[in-house]
Formats: sequence, structure tokens, C-alpha cells
Amino acid sequence: QSVLTQPPSASGTPGQRVTISCSGSSSNIGSNYIYWYQQLPGTAPKLLIYRDNQRPSGVPDRFSGSKSGTSASLAIGGLRSEDEADYYCAAWDDSLSGCMFGGGTKLTVL
Amino acid sequence: EVQLVQSGAEVKKPGESLKISCKASGYSFTRSWIAWVRQMPGKGLEWMGIIYPGDSDTRYSPSFQGQVSISADKSINTAYLQWSSLKASDTAMYYCARHEGIASRMDVWGQGTTVTVSS
Repeated sequence: QSVLTQPPSASGTPGQRVTISCSGSSSNIGSNYIYWYQQLPGTAPKLLIYRDNQRPSGVPDRFSGSKSGTSASLAIGGLRSEDEADYYCAAWDDSLSGCMFGGGTKLTVL
Repeated sequence: EVQLVQSGAEVKKPGESLKISCKASGYSFTRSWIAWVRQMPGKGLEWMGIIYPGDSDTRYSPSFQGQVSISADKSINTAYLQWSSLKASDTAMYYCARHEGIASRMDVWGQGTTVTVSS
């Protein structure tokens, strides 16, 4: 069972906006930055959002991150078929002295 | 170009030892951390531990402490993940990733190394 909790699945139709949640605690999300990673089928993970809401260069502005207290969300606007992937949240946990990943959310574009 | 290139797929028997590698290029290897991440078949990502090649400071996730060993050779810009006695449950894809800071983003990932342990 992951320290960070994500829904196992999410779905949407092309053009829709979907959000993926990530719930943690005061020792991780509540006191450290949240990061989001995208893993397309058969490939290595890729950094999507860093420091709660910052996008690396090359990541479309359709992707956005937010955080409030011990929860965070990833929003994907204007959903495209190529967004179909697994999405993971991650944060440093002060109690465990390590990085923790959420269990991952499989996004399906219908 | 900043990149991490991992060693090739491995097939081993239970009880055998193994060392896989992650070669860095395009940045100062000694000024960033390198993490190892496990992904078991059909499962999610698990952070195993991290090393700072500059001084070999190494931290392990409690789940992996004592199960694996992380090391680095800064003379050849390469980090390693090692097992002394493999188990079938070590079968997984293993990724290395650059951590800008110990609690920071993993911004560059290796392509992954598949390890299969089977009798």
C-alpha cells in the first residue's frame, strides 16, 4: 500500500478536462513539493510537473498541477489520445527519509 | 545532451549475484544525485534509494535497505545497483534517474534494465 494515494484509473473523451488526485500526509505532501510523472506504455517515466505546479520545458500547458494541504492534483485539459498513460505523483517523505510514489493512475482516453 | 544509459537486460538464476549500471553524460556527475527505481511487472514505481557520486553519500528506502547495494564510480560517471543473492521476486524493470537535489525532481531517466530471475 502506497504512502501517497491515487485513484487506480481515470478516463475522459478527447477535448475533455480530467483531474487526478494524490492524497498524502503532513510528512510528505504537507511539507515537501509534489512531482508528477507520466509513463507512456513501454517507456521510461518522464517528469511532467515539478515543485507542485511547474512545467519542464516541452511539457504542454494543457498539463497543470496544484496542491492544498496534504493533497495535490494533476489536471489535463484538452485531452488527447496520446495522453493515454500511467501518471504517478511523488513526494519526499520526512518520516521515511525517502521519496514516495503514489500507486499510479491509468488514464484512458475513450 | 544530458542522458543516462543503462546496461542491458539480464537473465539470472535465484541465488546468483548481479550488478547493473547507469552511465551519465552531458552534466556534472558529481553534483547531482542518482536514484534507482523499481517497477515490478504490471505494477507501479518504487523508489529504492539514492547516491551522491561526489562523496558516495547513499540513502536507502526502508523497503530496500539490506536487500540491494547502490554505488558509484565517479571516474567513469557510472552508478550501480547490486544484488548479492537474487530472488525470483527481484524480477522487474529497474530505472536510474537523476535527482537534482535529494528531495527534488527526477528530471532525467535511463531507459531501464530488465532483470529476470528464474530457475
